Amino acid sequence: ETGVTQTPRHLVMGMTNKKSLKCEQHLGHNAMYWYKQSAKKPLELMFVYNFKEQTENNSVPSRFSPECPNSSHLFLHLHTLQPEDSALYLCASSQGRNSPQETQYFGPGTRLLVL
Amino acid sequence: QKEVEQNSGPLSVPEGAIASLNCTYSDRVSQSFFWYRQYSGKSPELIMSIYSNGDKEDGRFTAQLNKASQYVSLLIRDSQPSDSATYLCAVNWYSSASKIIFGSGTRLSIRP
Repeated sequence: ETGVTQTPRHLVMGMTNKKSLKCEQHLGHNAMYWYKQSAKKPLELMFVYNFKEQTENNSVPSRFSPECPNSSHLFLHLHTLQPEDSALYLCASSQGRNSPQETQYFGPGTRLLVL
Repeated sequence: QKEVEQNSGPLSVPEGAIASLNCTYSDRVSQSFFWYRQYSGKSPELIMSIYSNGDKEDGRFTAQLNKASQYVSLLIRDSQPSDSATYLCAVNWYSSASKIIFGSGTRLSIRP
């Protein structure tokens, strides 16, 4: 266990559904991240929050909407997704000190299937 | 465009041998480097980090960094079947904010 939890672990949704992914970290970190991992593709950084402020949006479509109410919790709200959005969605956290030694720790991921 | 490149593999190594995984990156400003292991269907797990030129050893794992040549490698000694996984190289391009870029990973298979 890395101290980063994600729920749900698996999710099947239709293209008209609205769902949310949740991430919680118990490491006292201040930075949290959402990544997308599709089959045979590198990890794609989606969003970065540092001290609850969004510091990066990597040209992610608006059907993905992040929310970070505090440094321990991160959500990814999903609506009107497409089948190509099916992937493993990974949350990570780090200390948020913006130092060269900054290390990210990953949660177990949510396997999403969009029908 | 900063890039991290890895050979996708699969790299097949006999049990007990040394597995050598390589990673090259495109920018000399890079500050720190990480190796993650990812089993199929699981999330990446940090196994090594290295910040300065040279070798860093941790058990059966050795990370090697050569900033002049812009590569970082991971050696796994006495390879075990449990080492079969995808190994992700990650590079932190620290400037004003930490930005970690991942390679696409090398799939390693240890054959008994």
